[in-house]
Amino acid sequence: ELKVEQNPLFLSMQEGKNYTIYCNYSTTSDRLYWYRQDPGKSLESLFVLLSNGAVKQEGRLMASLDTKARLSTLHITAAVHDLSATYFCAVDANNAGNMLTFGGGTRLMVKP
Amino acid sequence: EPEVTQTPSHQVTQMGQEVILRCVPISNHLYFYWYRQILGQKVEFLVSFYNNEISEKSEIFDDQFSVERPDGSNFTLKIRSTKLEDSAMYFCASNPDRSDEKLFFGSGTQLSVL
Repeated sequence: ELKVEQNPLFLSMQEGKNYTIYCNYSTTSDRLYWYRQDPGKSLESLFVLLSNGAVKQEGRLMASLDTKARLSTLHITAAVHDLSATYFCAVDANNAGNMLTFGGGTRLMVKP
Repeated sequence: EPEVTQTPSHQVTQMGQEVILRCVPISNHLYFYWYRQILGQKVEFLVSFYNNEISEKSEIFDDQFSVERPDGSNFTLKIRSTKLEDSAMYFCASNPDRSDEKLFFGSGTQLSVL
């Protein structure tokens, strides 16, 4: 059974600081996704990482994938309050793009 | 931007009743999915659907659940006899090509079983 673990589960940080969220998974997969969820809202796709060494950046967020270590990171640079949300990583269990196993989420609070 | 729409946004039902959750995927998408999220917990895969048949399903998706694409636009999830533990936010999602595209999620239906 594929297990996806994120840490930390909760992160409170000041504006302007940097931090990294980690996503570890238990079986071979070349596909990893990051989603953002605001309270009571749906899931917004942030990044799709499809190969070992993939790195993608959008604004203050950068995601990377190391398939050998079965690890993805989501790095936050100079955090701002608007980044406050829950971030989920998800792994494609069968590399076919249709059956995602989600991590437990990291709830990020950025204090002004 | 095109979006996946779900109705209703909230559904309250009595235990043992049947419910149908409705979704309209993005029009040129071919792959459709249902996921659910119990309050405060992780998002869980239920089922994927392509070419009018189920392509994958999880252990959660037992005989009480069924999916259907009754016409060219709607995609439904039916729960035949709801249980208390079915209470969750149900998300519909779609994508045009499952090989490398992100999933587009709808805004969800909050199902409360009393």
